[in-house]
Amino acid sequence: DAKTTQPTSMDCAEGRAANLPCNHSTISGNEYVYWYRQIHSQGPQYIIHGLKNNETNEMASLIITEDRKSSTLILPHATLRDTAVYYCIVKGANAGKSTFGDGTTLTVKP
Amino acid sequence: NAGVTQTPKFRVLKTGQSMTLLCAQDMNHEYMYWYRQDPGMGLRLIHYSVGEGTTAKGEVPDGYNVSRLKKQNFLLGLESAAPSQTSVYFCASSYSVRAGGPEDHGYTFGSGTRLTVV
Repeated sequence: DAKTTQPTSMDCAEGRAANLPCNHSTISGNEYVYWYRQIHSQGPQYIIHGLKNNETNEMASLIITEDRKSSTLILPHATLRDTAVYYCIVKGANAGKSTFGDGTTLTVKP
Repeated sequence: NAGVTQTPKFRVLKTGQSMTLLCAQDMNHEYMYWYRQDPGMGLRLIHYSVGEGTTAKGEVPDGYNVSRLKKQNFLLGLESAAPSQTSVYFCASSYSVRAGGPEDHGYTFGSGTRLTVV
C-alpha cells in the first residue's frame, strides 16, 4: 500500500468548511483513497472512498487531484461534533489489509 | 444488527498472565482485523484474516496469536502479557469484494478493549 502524509493538526471554525489534505504521491493505478475518522477514544468510522473521480456522500466530499497524488476531504459545514482524528489511507483493489498512519487531529472551534 | 462486538471492554492483567480477546461480527464479512492503538498514536495492525481458517501477520504480531475458527469470530490471544502490551485493541471487519465496488463501505470497527498490564 502507498504511504500517505497528513498534517498533524488543523483548526476550523464552527460552520465553516474543513478541508483536510492528504498526500499520496506513490499511489498506483489500482489503489483507492479511503478516509476514516476517530472521535475521542471510539473505534474509527468509515467516511468515504474514491479512485479518481470526486465523491460525495451525506458526511463529506472527497476531491482527488487529476494526477491522484493528493486528495482533500471536505466537511462542508463543520460542527463541534466533527472534532476528531481523520485518517487518510490508500488501499489496493485486492489488498487484504490497510495501514493507518497517525492522521490529522481536527479541532472545530466555536 | 450489532455490527462488530468486542469483549471484554476493559481488563487489567498482571505480567505473565494470559487472556483472549473476542471479536464477533454479524455482517457476514470475510475479512477481519486486529489493531492496537497506544496513547496519542495511530492504529497498528497486529494480525488479520481473509477468511475462515486463515490468518496472517500484520505490522506488530510479536507476542500475539490469533484464530479464526468461525467466520463470524476472530480471537486475539496474549500468552504471557507484558506491560508493553498495555493498549487499546480494536477489531474491524470488511467485505472481501473488490475495493471500490457498491458493497465497499470500508472497515467496520468495534468499540475497543482497553487492556492494562501491570
